[in-house]
Amino acid sequence: GENVEQHPSTLSVQEGDSAVIKCTYSDSASNYFPWYKQELGKRPQLIIDIRSNVGEKKDQRIAVTLNKTAKHFSLHITETQPEDSAVYFCALTPKEGGTSYGKLTFGQGTILTVHP
Amino acid sequence: DSGVTQTPKHLITATGQRVTLRCSPRSGDLSVYWYQQSLDQGLQFLIQYYNGEERAKGNILERFSAQQFPDLHSELNLSSLELGDSALYFCASSVAQRNTQYFGPGTRLTVL
Repeated sequence: GENVEQHPSTLSVQEGDSAVIKCTYSDSASNYFPWYKQELGKRPQLIIDIRSNVGEKKDQRIAVTLNKTAKHFSLHITETQPEDSAVYFCALTPKEGGTSYGKLTFGQGTILTVHP
Repeated sequence: DSGVTQTPKHLITATGQRVTLRCSPRSGDLSVYWYQQSLDQGLQFLIQYYNGEERAKGNILERFSAQQFPDLHSELNLSSLELGDSALYFCASSVAQRNTQYFGPGTRLTVL
């Protein structure tokens, strides 16, 4: 099946700095790439997503970039705040037999810590 | 609040037992997905239903089964439980098969 490699596994930044998390994948047919934020013991919450016909998408301090040729996509958080501290997961919808049913394959997660 | 509900929040049981986890999707969502989250395996897709029919299967054990009912709620049945089945089980729903998925609060299963 499709694998998603997510790096780094942990990321520590000072408040106000930027944070970047990158994911690489192998199936060029993947066409939907969401990012989820998960606080301890809570549900994954969608924070931003991008589809394969778009190269970049921004929502306030959060942006996602997609490079289909290189098969990687990245999450960028600017002006980080302590409340951004959480585990972030990238994901994608793999295609099997030419069909994407919508199931998500997740990266391993990045523990982001923002120090005040 | 995502609008997806799951019961129970916590479940503690013994090895060899059987449990049922319940999920109600957001109003209007036809697709339901089940995921398992454990420390060693991360977030793994188990199974998907769309409007009552099974549509995709992931790394779901034969001891596990699921179904989606006419009112669109779904149940995940876990039987012959083992210690390794201890995990967080999430349900997610989406309007159709390729739309944004919203996750429920999860059920934490502990097998002793």
